[in-house]
Amino acid sequence: AQKITQTQPGMFVQEKEAVTLDCTYDTSDPSYGLFWYKQPSSGEMIFLIYQGSYDQQNATEGRYSLNFQKARKSANLVISASQLGDSAMYFCAMREGLRTGNQFYFGTGTSLTVIP
Amino acid sequence: KAGVTQTPRYLIKTRGQQVTLSCSPISGHRSVSWYQQTPGQGLQFLFEYFSETQRNKGNFPGRFSGRQFSNSRSEMNVSTLELGDSALYLCASRMLAGGSYNEQFFGPGTRLTVL
Repeated sequence: AQKITQTQPGMFVQEKEAVTLDCTYDTSDPSYGLFWYKQPSSGEMIFLIYQGSYDQQNATEGRYSLNFQKARKSANLVISASQLGDSAMYFCAMREGLRTGNQFYFGTGTSLTVIP
Repeated sequence: KAGVTQTPRYLIKTRGQQVTLSCSPISGHRSVSWYQQTPGQGLQFLFEYFSETQRNKGNFPGRFSGRQFSNSRSEMNVSTLELGDSALYLCASRMLAGGSYNEQFFGPGTRLTVL
């Protein structure tokens, strides 16, 4: 089974609107971290937001928030007030606890296009 | 604080040759991971080094190897290049290898083209 699943290959959003990028994960480890990265056309992966499995509150970083639903094993990224510069690939990733050697697993990504 | 740096940024090689890519982590970061990114396979984990020891390895042939130096800088080597090795190679560093909270910070990548 895939560790990280991103079911939206491409998404479009109107400038200034909010958009949700979906991510589901699969793990039996009680300790894990969930991450979102942005990859513009330049190629560099930019860290956006982190959510720990034991965190009680949903993570927020400026216009980014993570809708963490532990029972459903989902960690959707919400971008509020979209800007043209948000157009990029977005990757969801997970790192499990010490037992599995701390490897990061990445999803296949969602390509977001912000329309003016 | 300087970010993760990778050299070279672009590389063109021919089949059968070998290549060495370099990664300098963020100061204080002791863990370095390497990833291969291609349009068809996405982002695939190659290996991770911590304190000069390989801690984890992805599912890649032995032609892909790496090492880490005492200053945490890492190199990745690919021998006997194949056309399918054309990819963006990303390096990422983080402070410690343990715990589930250590986010990775990526470098700009090395784009390798094999002709």
